[in-house]
Amino acid sequence: GAVVSQHPSWVICKSGTSVKIECRSLDFQATTMFWYRQFPKQSLMLMATSNEGSKATYEQGVEKDKFLINHASLTLSTLTVTSAHPEDSSFYICSARRGGAGETQYFGPGTRLLVL
Amino acid sequence: GIQVEQSPPDLILQEGANSTLRCNFSDSVNNLQWFHQNPWGQLINLFYIPSGTKQNGRLSATTVATERYSLLYISSSQTTDSGVYFCAVDEKLTFGTGTRLTIIP
Repeated sequence: GAVVSQHPSWVICKSGTSVKIECRSLDFQATTMFWYRQFPKQSLMLMATSNEGSKATYEQGVEKDKFLINHASLTLSTLTVTSAHPEDSSFYICSARRGGAGETQYFGPGTRLLVL
Repeated sequence: GIQVEQSPPDLILQEGANSTLRCNFSDSVNNLQWFHQNPWGQLINLFYIPSGTKQNGRLSATTVATERYSLLYISSSQTTDSGVYFCAVDEKLTFGTGTRLTIIP
């Protein structure tokens, strides 16, 4: 149980294009989903937290207009990187939590984005 | 915000060896988790351990919340244990700096 999937697993795009990444909780309903970014050989940094049906809460320094997050249902959240640039190239990881703050987060396999 | 430091940053061991990884955090927490990130990037939950001690097979973890640290023990290391180990604290999961473990056959 507690499986989280991400799609696509990797994507290469040209500078200026937009890329959408999907995160799904396959066997549970996720009240909250989280999006992280990880640069090579670095730790994970939280970008935003989203609850189903409400606007995402972004961490300081993360541009809301660049990283659009939509949590349309209890099993799906999407991250859209708009007008991607080479510095947006990174490993994007989502996680999902089925309950409140004391519950475990389960992580997706990640999406590698390369912007040329 | 809370600071989370892990040590050592890198660890290379022979297969069969034991290891202890440490996680120090700068403020009191009510959530602490340990993760293993495999070479493909997948994060695997190891322990949810805001306090006390837990064991799961060759792995065990201890958190001393009053002293703001947690330890992850790996016994009889196998090559599949290689990867990066992270601790993360609090509701938003502030991640530590990580320990890169390499197990040599």
